[in-house]
Amino acid sequence: DIQLTQSPSFLSASVGDRVTITCRASQGIRGYLAWYQQKPGKAPKLLIYAASTLQSGVPSRFSGSGSGTEFTLTISSLQPEDFATYYCQQHNSYPLTFGGGAKVEIK
Amino acid sequence: EVQLVESGGVLVQPGGSLRLSCAASGFIFSDHYMDWVRQAPGKGLEWVGRIRKKDQSYTTEYAASVKDRFTISRDDSKSSLYLQMSSLRTEDTAVYYCARSAGTSFLSAYFDYSGQGTLVTVSS
Repeated sequence: DIQLTQSPSFLSASVGDRVTITCRASQGIRGYLAWYQQKPGKAPKLLIYAASTLQSGVPSRFSGSGSGTEFTLTISSLQPEDFATYYCQQHNSYPLTFGGGAKVEIK
Repeated sequence: EVQLVESGGVLVQPGGSLRLSCAASGFIFSDHYMDWVRQAPGKGLEWVGRIRKKDQSYTTEYAASVKDRFTISRDDSKSSLYLQMSSLRTEDTAVYYCARSAGTSFLSAYFDYSGQGTLVTVSS
């Protein structure tokens, strides 16, 4: 199975900050990585797929990059509504797997 | 508007069985692979399994943790997805989300829509 390791698992940031979350895969997954945002009590929401393609309706302050085993999610200017937990997910092979999550909290 | 509405989550004893349902609307259900994803209380997301379309003979994939205990099925005439769970364990306690796969290849094997989830509690 492909393991996904996210770092940091927790970060404290302020509105307006640039935030970067990393996702490392235990083996190469080409560019087949998605990112989700989840708020407490809510379903996960797709932000980015295929490593760098922004899902329709997602603000352009979110961006993704990477290929192979290392990927990043960047929020260029953190907004109040962005405080949430972020998960990566590989869609390269079965079983589909998620990273452990990165919680972004208000400093 | 795409909607996925799960139901059937309850308190069940270890070793018991349960069937979850997911009612889909707002898209052509039969055109999509469908998945179940779960989240234990305070924990991360875990993929449970997938069912393909009719033209792939409704074949399924499962996570190792549920294989041989859980069965995914679908009824395209009712735009409904099901998760039959048996031999339930305390570690199966989670919110179970129904999710739509964006496409049929690995390039599109991510979840573009998810329901709000239904809570399954396995406890004596």
